[in-house]
Amino acid sequence: GAVVSQHPSWVICKSGTSVKIECRSLDFQATTMFWYRQFPKQSLMLMATSNEGSKATYEQGVEKDKFLINHASLTLSTLTVTSAHPEDSSFYICSARRDRDPQPQHFGDGTRLSIL
Amino acid sequence: GENVEQHPSTLSVQEGDSAVIKCTYSDSASNYFPWYKQELGKGPQLIIDIRSNVGEKKDQRIAVTLNKTAKHFSLHITETQPEDSAVYFCAARPRGSARQLTFGSGTQLTVLP
Repeated sequence: GAVVSQHPSWVICKSGTSVKIECRSLDFQATTMFWYRQFPKQSLMLMATSNEGSKATYEQGVEKDKFLINHASLTLSTLTVTSAHPEDSSFYICSARRDRDPQPQHFGDGTRLSIL
Repeated sequence: GENVEQHPSTLSVQEGDSAVIKCTYSDSASNYFPWYKQELGKGPQLIIDIRSNVGEKKDQRIAVTLNKTAKHFSLHITETQPEDSAVYFCAARPRGSARQLTFGSGTQLTVLP
């Protein structure tokens, strides 16, 4: 159990376009979902935390107008990178947690975003 | 906030040997410590976790130990196999409802055949 599916796995697009990434919890209801960004050979950097039905909480330095997060249901969260530029190219990973403490956190397989 | 340090950053072992990765944390309120394995191009996969009311946990070839007094925890992999080669991340999460994980910097483990 505890499968998190992320789509797409890889996207290449032109500078200026917006890209939407979906994160779904397939076999459980995720009260909380998280979005991370990971640069090559580095650790995961938390971008934002979202709870179903409420606004996401963004980490310091993350532009909320740039990275739009929607958590409309207990099984789906989306991250939209608006007006993407080459510096937004990265590996984006979502994570979901069934309940609050002490449930473990499960990760999707990530989305490789390349902006040309 | 919480700060997690992880060592070593790279580790090479011969197949069949043991591998040990160590992490320290700063927030004494942390009570949950998972370990994740990340293969190239994939998301992190939870391999084992431990809560602060337990000192050791084992799952086949993988074990985790926790020393709350010293605020450090370690991952032990015995009888390593080439498929164990990956990046391993430790993490810590403080007690509380919506607290998120703080990750270590990762360890690239290479198991040489």
